[in-house]
Amino acid sequence: GNSVTQMEGPVTLSEEAFLTINCTYTATGYPSLFWYVQYPGEGLQLLLKATKADDKGSNKGFEATYRKETTSFHLEKGSVQVSDSAVYFCALKAGAAGNKLTFGGGTRVLVKP
Amino acid sequence: DTAVSQTPKYLVTQMGNDKSIKCEQNLGHDTMYWYKQDSKKFLKIMFSYNNKELIINETVPNRFSPKSPDKAHLNLHINSLELGDSAVYFCASSQRGEVGEQFFGPGTRLTVL
Repeated sequence: GNSVTQMEGPVTLSEEAFLTINCTYTATGYPSLFWYVQYPGEGLQLLLKATKADDKGSNKGFEATYRKETTSFHLEKGSVQVSDSAVYFCALKAGAAGNKLTFGGGTRVLVKP
Repeated sequence: DTAVSQTPKYLVTQMGNDKSIKCEQNLGHDTMYWYKQDSKKFLKIMFSYNNKELIINETVPNRFSPKSPDKAHLNLHINSLELGDSAVYFCASSQRGEVGEQFFGPGTRLTVL
């Protein structure tokens, strides 16, 4: 079956530090990959996506590259802010006919001033 | 101009009671979802409807019954509530065929005493 594995949190870092959240996946066919962010007390929001190998998704200073050879989609940001404190979810949609998202377990990030 | 709204935001009730959570979206989307998020932030899909037709029904106890009166609304009714039902329930919607780009509501925190 399809699955997504994320690094466990919490990840605690200082403002302006570099952030990496690892995400690897198992899927049949060619999945599309996504990162969602959940700010405290809110629902999830789509952060970025990539639909084929070597695609790079980017938004709000975050980037992730779809690596088929390593089945990974790691999220990075060069300089985090306190406002980036949230839970980040990696997710996949399996193939063109996929009708649901499979989410990873989420990674909590805490950025301290 | 809320995109996906849920009511109530908080729900505290006794074991054995029956309760409902309502969801409405004004995005014109065809597909709606219910998710359950546990205390460790793990997110699990429960149901998905496409234009009032049930398309996903994960292994959810039959005490949970979704109802979609029209494509803009998806309600969740829960019978005989149990302690283990305590969680945050999220409604989401997406355009047909855009499963990866879901818009989430703010969540309903259900506490069963």
